Amino acid sequence: EPEVTQTPSHQVTQMGQEVILRCVPISNHLYFYWYRQILGQKVEFLVSFYNNEISEKSEIFDDQFSVERPDGSNFTLKIRSTKLEDSAMYFCASLSGQGAREQYFGPGTRLTVT
Amino acid sequence: AQSVTQLGSHVSVSEGALVLLRCNYSSSVPPYLFWYVQYPNQGLQLLLKYTSAATLVKGINGFEAEFKKSETSFHLTKPSAHMSDAAEYFCAVTPFYNQGGKLIFGQGTELSVKP
Repeated sequence: EPEVTQTPSHQVTQMGQEVILRCVPISNHLYFYWYRQILGQKVEFLVSFYNNEISEKSEIFDDQFSVERPDGSNFTLKIRSTKLEDSAMYFCASLSGQGAREQYFGPGTRLTVT
Repeated sequence: AQSVTQLGSHVSVSEGALVLLRCNYSSSVPPYLFWYVQYPNQGLQLLLKYTSAATLVKGINGFEAEFKKSETSFHLTKPSAHMSDAAEYFCAVTPFYNQGGKLIFGQGTELSVKP
């Protein structure tokens, strides 16, 4: 069964460093998302991406964040200068767009900023 | 704006007992509704979805949920809890009018199952 994959599973970085989180959505899906979950809190929407552009972003998704679909398979989230409060689990999700509404999530990348 | 409220951040049941996890939504029009489960150190797995067809929805692992428009609720139930059901459960909504709309999640309910 097709699934969303994410790499790395765990990333440790120092404050101020740039990180890139990678995701491979389900093939033929048209909509892509990033969510984050700070430890002990609910899952929060960051950004959605469709037709090679951002379709919606949250207040959290400020100028420090960017997304890219560099080729036909990868979908990346870049944080330019990490802060301690960026420590969280980051989930990628995709949606087929062919009438379906359920999003399929990857296993997540745990980002720890020290 | 849409929102989701899950009553009870922790629910504890005995093995074999009924599981009831509550979810209420706020929306001007009925949205699409979902329940996701998160096992420790894992991602979110879709349990079931409501997309304006049948109001009683059956999902995986014996779970089901009933959409009640009059109560703006979408509670998750399972007749008999199993130890393997211990996990965090999230209710989520997305607007019906936006094909690729974001999911808005509730706070989550941690389910514990006692032997």
